[in-house]
Amino acid sequence: AQSVTQLDSQVPVFEEAPVELRCNYSSSVSVYLFWYVQYPNQGLQLLLKYLSGSTLVKGINGFEAEFNKSQTSFHLRKPSVHISDTAEYFCAVSDEPGGTSYGKLTFGQGTILTVHP
Amino acid sequence: NAGVTQTPKFQVLKTGQSMTLQCAQDMNHNSMYWYRQDPGMGLRLIYYSASEGTTDKGEVPNGYNVSRLNKREFSLRLESAAPSQTSVYFCASRAGGPYNEQFFGPGTRLTVL
Repeated sequence: AQSVTQLDSQVPVFEEAPVELRCNYSSSVSVYLFWYVQYPNQGLQLLLKYLSGSTLVKGINGFEAEFNKSQTSFHLRKPSVHISDTAEYFCAVSDEPGGTSYGKLTFGQGTILTVHP
Repeated sequence: NAGVTQTPKFQVLKTGQSMTLQCAQDMNHNSMYWYRQDPGMGLRLIYYSASEGTTDKGEVPNGYNVSRLNKREFSLRLESAAPSQTSVYFCASRAGGPYNEQFFGPGTRLTVL
């Protein structure tokens, strides 16, 4: 069974500061990792995904994440945040595509990022 | 292209009432999913449909039923609502193939009194 742990439930930062949102996962098979963002009163949008290849993945809005297999982590980073980045961020894992899970996602608990002026 | 649409946006029920949440996608996706979102718990999978004509239970299926009406539509039914089903419900869809992400609807906020 897979699980995802987001280590911080809330992260407050000031505008233009760097931010890191932490995500650890556990799985007995190959994994595919995702970060989604949810703006207030909206659905989830994909920020970025790791499927294979380079462990540094770049996404939309200046976000990037690094897959670390030995640490079973997939932390999300942005070098300089804006007020508009205030949202809830979810890390999610899916198991190998050859299985029968049909792309089911297991989500972490979410991290609320609040950017202050 | 509307993507994934959900109706209604908001709903208030009394304990024991029934209702159906509707979801439709116009992206010709094979797989569809229903999640519930509760504070501090992320999203949990209720049911999913890998393809038209099939449905399977997810992590928290108790108290719910689903119907994959056709390739576009996937509905979620609460037969006898309980206060524990107060939540925000999201529908998602995904194209076939192993590397495609899920696309989410805007959600339905349900309150059961």
